[in-house]
Amino acid sequence: DAGITQSPRHKVTETGTPVTLRCHQTENHRYMYWYRQDPGHGLRLIHYSYGVKDTDKGEVSDGYSVSRSKTEDFLLTLESATSSQTSVYFCAISESRGANYGYTFGSGTRLTVV
Amino acid sequence: AQSVTQLGSHVSVSEGALVLLRCNYSSSVPPYLFWYVQYPNQGLQLLLKYTSAATLVKGINGFEAEFKKSETSFHLTKPSAHMSDAAEYFCAVSYTGTASKLTFGTGTRLQVTL
Repeated sequence: DAGITQSPRHKVTETGTPVTLRCHQTENHRYMYWYRQDPGHGLRLIHYSYGVKDTDKGEVSDGYSVSRSKTEDFLLTLESATSSQTSVYFCAISESRGANYGYTFGSGTRLTVV
Repeated sequence: AQSVTQLGSHVSVSEGALVLLRCNYSSSVPPYLFWYVQYPNQGLQLLLKYTSAATLVKGINGFEAEFKKSETSFHLTKPSAHMSDAAEYFCAVSYTGTASKLTFGTGTRLQVTL
């Protein structure tokens, strides 16, 4: 997707190891979000950010932390990966705090915890 | 909790037939409503959005949706399905004052057959 990239695209990791996923945007958007996608659950919000160093929890934040030291980068860390965190992770950005703007999504990171 | 419900996790239609994907929301305040489409191994792409300007919203690829407050619905339709419409479709809702956070439905997978 233009203006937003996620890395890595695929990752296999072992239970108990820390993992960091990166979201990078070139749109200078203030709002950034991390979601996870699981069958039967749709997309669920993990954490979001409304500016540099300003972050907040979503509905499924346990076991995850985030950091945003620059406008363009939003990092998601699994502190100690578990099999229940096997999922597809999507980053999204929004132009404004206006609720009518919607998101632009990255292409996702498929994470497998073995 | 304010949410959206998508009726039917799988919908199958013949090529050329009407597509109808259902979405109902639950809230006591005016919502902003969105439909996103996800093709295999890709991120989500915005199809259309309702932001109170007009109740009938036209989107990309011939899709449209109508906001019906009395029915708390925002169903997605397309008069004639194409094979290329096969994908997963997500309804999402947002509200003023929520930092643009989107809450997603569980998704509907559309299959188009010959």
